[in-house]
Amino acid sequence: SAVISQKPSRDICQRGTSLTIQCQVDSQVTMMFWYRQQPGQSLTLIATANQGSEATYESGFVIDKFPISRPNLTFSTLTVSNMSPEDSSIYLCSVNGLAGGHTYEQYFGPGTRLTVT
Amino acid sequence: QKEVEQDPGPLSVPEGAIVSLNCTYSNSAFQYFMWYRQYSRKGPELLMYTYSSGNKEDGRFTAQVDKSSKYISLFIRDSQPSDSATYLCAIHTGGGNKLTFGTGTQLKVEL
Repeated sequence: SAVISQKPSRDICQRGTSLTIQCQVDSQVTMMFWYRQQPGQSLTLIATANQGSEATYESGFVIDKFPISRPNLTFSTLTVSNMSPEDSSIYLCSVNGLAGGHTYEQYFGPGTRLTVT
Repeated sequence: QKEVEQDPGPLSVPEGAIVSLNCTYSNSAFQYFMWYRQYSRKGPELLMYTYSSGNKEDGRFTAQVDKSSKYISLFIRDSQPSDSATYLCAIHTGGGNKLTFGTGTQLKVEL
């Protein structure tokens, strides 16, 4: 597995503002992903962060709301823009493509707990 | 119908009990089956994964897949208070990178 860190671990933000979440991995990985985990709901994939190109968004998620960067093979950011209380959730970074691993083996960071007031 | 269904619990058992956690799925294209454990305020941790129908054992944990019934299970033997967590099943089609998760079952193992 890999060591995955996220910053911040939690934050309380006012509606209308934006928050950028960072994800750092201790080794180079092929793919990085961003998920949302809301109480009582499944983990939902927001987008795949592609190194050197635009992120690939899942249905229901758009770049204007969740811009993503991936400048290299160990780092990615997710911005939650123009926040509303409905964006209150845990945001998780995950990776696959570790050396010797399979594409379906995904490993998760500790998450960022966001509360929007 | 959700692609993956999982009873949310909570499930409370005494220490030493055998725990059975289950998921059903609807898409026969799913090929790889994962179980994650998530402690409170932590990210999901990959416990086990399996491909074929049958059983896979790792210590006190056994993952079971029945593709004909589209049913997967995780058994925990000799459960411990440290097993108290939310257990999520996740399924992959084998192509691309997308995992489809269940909602998770909250387990509490009591002394």
